[in-house]
Amino acid sequence: GEDVEQSLFLSVREGDSSVINCTYTDSSSTYLYWYKQEPGAGLQLLTYIFSNMDMKQDQRLTVLLNKKDKHLSLRIADTQTGDSAIYFCAEEYSSASKIIFGSGTRLSIRP
Amino acid sequence: DGGITQSPKYLFRKEGQNVTLSCEQNLNHDAMYWYRQDPGQGLRLIYYSQIVNDFQKGDIAEGYSVSREKKESFPLTVTSAQKNPTAFYLCASRSSGGNTQYFGPGTRLTVL
Repeated sequence: GEDVEQSLFLSVREGDSSVINCTYTDSSSTYLYWYKQEPGAGLQLLTYIFSNMDMKQDQRLTVLLNKKDKHLSLRIADTQTGDSAIYFCAEEYSSASKIIFGSGTRLSIRP
Repeated sequence: DGGITQSPKYLFRKEGQNVTLSCEQNLNHDAMYWYRQDPGQGLRLIYYSQIVNDFQKGDIAEGYSVSREKKESFPLTVTSAQKNPTAFYLCASRSSGGNTQYFGPGTRLTVL
């Protein structure tokens, strides 16, 4: 079945890098996404990667995709207090034209 | 400004009452979606519509109903048959052939 899994919590020190991991099940996924949700708000698309790519970099964000292991990660360099949020991994479930979301990873920043 | 609006931001209803949540977009997107979010859980798909006058059930459609009479609007009704309606409801839209969903700010529904 379709499933996206992520760990629930991550705590990092301000200025360090954060790495949020995700595993998915649909090997035919075309796109994989990272969304950010701040308290009480909707989801903001951070970045996405096409399934034939291994890596995508966008300023402080680096996405790595290991298609063989169905593993996706999001690295945030120089983590700041404004990065505190819940981060959702999502995969495009191609056969049904819908997007499946993980349960979200809550990132907290220590001073 | 282009975007997706949901209203109201907070909604309170008594148990047993139906309630309709609004979702409007001016992005000219064909597809629209409703998700439910509970604490510590990801988003679960309630209903989606890929074109006007057509919609499909998602993973948790029981106790909900939708309509799609206009491209811009996709209201969600939470009926009294929904056993546990208190949640945060998110609407999203996507253009046909597009690869990203854009989300509204959400409506927090509390049933007393």
